[in-house]
Amino acid sequence: NAGVTQTPKFRVLKTGQSMTLLCAQDMNHEYMYWYRQDPGMGLRLIHYSVGEGTTAKGEVPDGYNVSRLKKQNFLLGLESAAPSQTSVYFCASSFSDGINYGYTFGSGTRLTVV
Amino acid sequence: DAKTTQPPSMDCAEGRAANLPCNHSTISGNEYVYWYRQIHSQGPQYIIHGLKNNETNEMASLIITEDRKSSTLILPHATLRDTAVYYCIVRLPPINTNAGKSTFGDGTTLTVKP
Repeated sequence: NAGVTQTPKFRVLKTGQSMTLLCAQDMNHEYMYWYRQDPGMGLRLIHYSVGEGTTAKGEVPDGYNVSRLKKQNFLLGLESAAPSQTSVYFCASSFSDGINYGYTFGSGTRLTVV
Repeated sequence: DAKTTQPPSMDCAEGRAANLPCNHSTISGNEYVYWYRQIHSQGPQYIIHGLKNNETNEMASLIITEDRKSSTLILPHATLRDTAVYYCIVRLPPINTNAGKSTFGDGTTLTVKP
């Protein structure tokens, strides 16, 4: 049982380049989330999904797109990377029913945009 | 979702109880209180959650005031490994599709000292 797996773990991009971050979970969770964490700050919600084929905006969605084509995967895309998007990105997932043990987080993707 | 307020930092002596406060004065009747912690730069880890009643598990205890406007996370016998950033968040029940909008603040940095 791997939990939540994020790939890649590290990446350096040049300004204007695009990339996709992959989040995969094997716990049959309905909900999935993407957060970013800047140095010394808390987590800010970028986008989230309450089920396969659905997505919704969080606090800081600008500059990012997401897709949830399969229940177990949630992709975060950067179409044209900017230095302001240098951050650590965390994916999380959770159940949607009343038996909830909170979010399960991945180990993060450290992205640097130069 | 209700916002939370936490002190930015706290110290605790090893072996003593660590009591971490959280203010959530605008919490609504069906919002849960959740606590997570983040050690170094790892993904946050779920600790405990509650609605009205006090809760206890193998990691910690959660005390929620009767008016639900504040709560306290208690680590009964803090160890050096409990040094981390602790986040208090409030969120709607998982079955509510708006549950995905809950956000993390900056948390409390707890330092356990020998």
